[in-house]
Amino acid sequence: AAGVIQSPRHLIKEKRETATLKCYPIPRHDTVYWYQQGPGQDPQFLISFYEKMQSDKGSIPDRFSAQQFSDYHSELNMSSLELGDSALYFCASSYRDGTDTQYFGPGTRLTVL
Amino acid sequence: RKEVEQDPGPFNVPEGATVAFNCTYSNSASQSFFWYRQDCRKEPKLLMSVYSSGNEDGRFTAQLNRASQYISLLIRDSKLSDSATYLCVVNILTGGGNKLTFGTGTQLKVEL
Repeated sequence: AAGVIQSPRHLIKEKRETATLKCYPIPRHDTVYWYQQGPGQDPQFLISFYEKMQSDKGSIPDRFSAQQFSDYHSELNMSSLELGDSALYFCASSYRDGTDTQYFGPGTRLTVL
Repeated sequence: RKEVEQDPGPFNVPEGATVAFNCTYSNSASQSFFWYRQDCRKEPKLLMSVYSSGNEDGRFTAQLNRASQYISLLIRDSKLSDSATYLCVVNILTGGGNKLTFGTGTQLKVEL
């Protein structure tokens, strides 16, 4: 079965640079979520989109923005990168059927030098 | 205090042992509950949903007690391949939809 696709899988950036992470949800899923997982920590919810509209916002820094496109893929844009942004970034998708079970992509490992 | 609390472990058990993990959550508006499994540097993978009636999937049994806001996971006849971090996850309905809140995870190491 098709899973959530994320690209790139690994990304290395310098401080103050920008980065764009992409997420392609499972086909027919209408909701996309972004999570950040720092070393030794649990995933922290950043932001979600339902039917291309932002549906909820978590602990996402103002330097980050995201959107969901007409084909349901989503992009997380990160600017003025800081060392503390180094983390695993997971995208998850779900279908709003009452259970809203979320399935995670393999993640993008971002390293800021 | 975190919204979802778990014993971080590690739980070191021999192959074939039965091991139980517990989890408590603080938000009474929580709608649905899950156990996810996460291997090192990999994505969380859904292990099972948790229902008030209790549910079983092979060697895994999950229970939910809404009154006590308590969730459990029982693993019977543990295998080496069960070694991972087990995340207790709560889905909270928000104004815009829903979001998952994760516990810090319980690390399991199954040894020969």
